Amino acid sequence: DIQMTQSPSTLSASVGDRVTITCRASQSINSWLAWYQQKPGKAPKLLIYKASNLESGVPSRFSGSGSGTEFTLTISSLQPDDFATYYCQQSNSYSPTFGRGTKVEIK
Amino acid sequence: EVQLVESGGGLVQPGGSLRLSCAASGFTFSNYAMNWVRQAPGKGLEWVSGISGSGITTYYADSVKGRFTISRDNSKNTLYLQMHSLRAEDTALYYCAKVRIPSGWSIFDYWGRGTLVTVSS
Repeated sequence: DIQMTQSPSTLSASVGDRVTITCRASQSINSWLAWYQQKPGKAPKLLIYKASNLESGVPSRFSGSGSGTEFTLTISSLQPDDFATYYCQQSNSYSPTFGRGTKVEIK
Repeated sequence: EVQLVESGGGLVQPGGSLRLSCAASGFTFSNYAMNWVRQAPGKGLEWVSGISGSGITTYYADSVKGRFTISRDNSKNTLYLQMHSLRAEDTALYYCAKVRIPSGWSIFDYWGRGTLVTVSS
């Protein structure tokens, strides 16, 4: 299975900060990388697919980049609604795998 | 509006069985692969199983292979997960998830609210 490693596991930031989360795949997944946001007690929400494509309805402050094994999710200006846990997920195989998550906390 | 509503969770003893269901609406169900993803309490997301739109092709995580069976009834717009030989480590909130595009497999754009499975004596 392809392993996905996210960093950091926890991130403390303030409203207005630029935030970057990194995800590394154990082997090349081309651009088959998705990012999800999950808030407590809620289902995950798709933010980004194929590494850099913004899902419909997702604010433009979210962006994704990368290919191969290294990927990033960037929030250009953190908003109060963005405090949540973020997961990367490889969709390169028929056995998708998720990173362990990055919790974005209020500083 | 796409809706996915899971049901069938509950408390079961180790070694027991349970069948989960996911009722879908708001899209042409048979056109889309569907998946089950679980989340143990306080933990991250783990993909469990997926099934093609026709129901012919299925895939499983190694952790459930041989114990769980995914299926679907396109006439009822319903996805199922039959779980046998349940273990404590299967305790989780089980989500059903729709793939984003008809030809896709593992990018999930809609999720249900989940149904909780607790395996304990």
